Amino acid sequence: SQTIHQWPATLVQPVGSPLSLECTVEGTSNPNLYWYRQAAGRGLQLLFYSVGIGQISSEVPQNLSASRPQDRQFILSSKKLLLSDSGFYLCACREWRGEQYFGPGTRLTVT
Amino acid sequence: LAKTTQPISMDSYEGQEVNITCSHNNIATNDYITWYQQFPSQGPRFIIQGYKTKVTNEVASLFIPADRKSSTLSLPRVSLSDTAVYYCLVGGRNQAGTALIFGKGTTLSVSS
Repeated sequence: SQTIHQWPATLVQPVGSPLSLECTVEGTSNPNLYWYRQAAGRGLQLLFYSVGIGQISSEVPQNLSASRPQDRQFILSSKKLLLSDSGFYLCACREWRGEQYFGPGTRLTVT
Repeated sequence: LAKTTQPISMDSYEGQEVNITCSHNNIATNDYITWYQQFPSQGPRFIIQGYKTKVTNEVASLFIPADRKSSTLSLPRVSLSDTAVYYCLVGGRNQAGTALIFGKGTTLSVSS
């Protein structure tokens, strides 16, 4: 079974600063990868998904971007953070059977 | 992807059976029904998945009527540790280029 790693676990960044969150997956190859965000007390919002290296689909227009430089690496970035970017960021991997597995998440606080 | 509707919250007591129903009137022929559980500050965890009739595992049961327009997650004898948000999702297996869309889920509160 696959294992999803995310880092950092927590992050406090000032408004206007850049962001880079990393997700790596073990135990699978050519997975579908996803970035979700969960604001406090809210449901999960799909941000990006990728079906392969260099292939990124954006679900919500915002100041965030994603990249997939390697098969099992997914990166979420921003050039300038906004207060509204605060939240719990989750990376997920989807198996061929349709089950979706989530990483431990990154708690981002923008101050 | 089919939209789902489920209660926002439910309350229960330890030892009771909890049934959470999800409506998905526009479910497609190749869609599966999947339930996830999420604890605070953790990613959702897969509970169970089914296509029709009944599926049971060590954690829960999933009941799906013949028309598949709804499904019921059944948690036998809940404990305090079952307090969590439960999400119902529908989608096709191995649909490249698609993602599971999570709704607001059902917040289950179990009391002693």
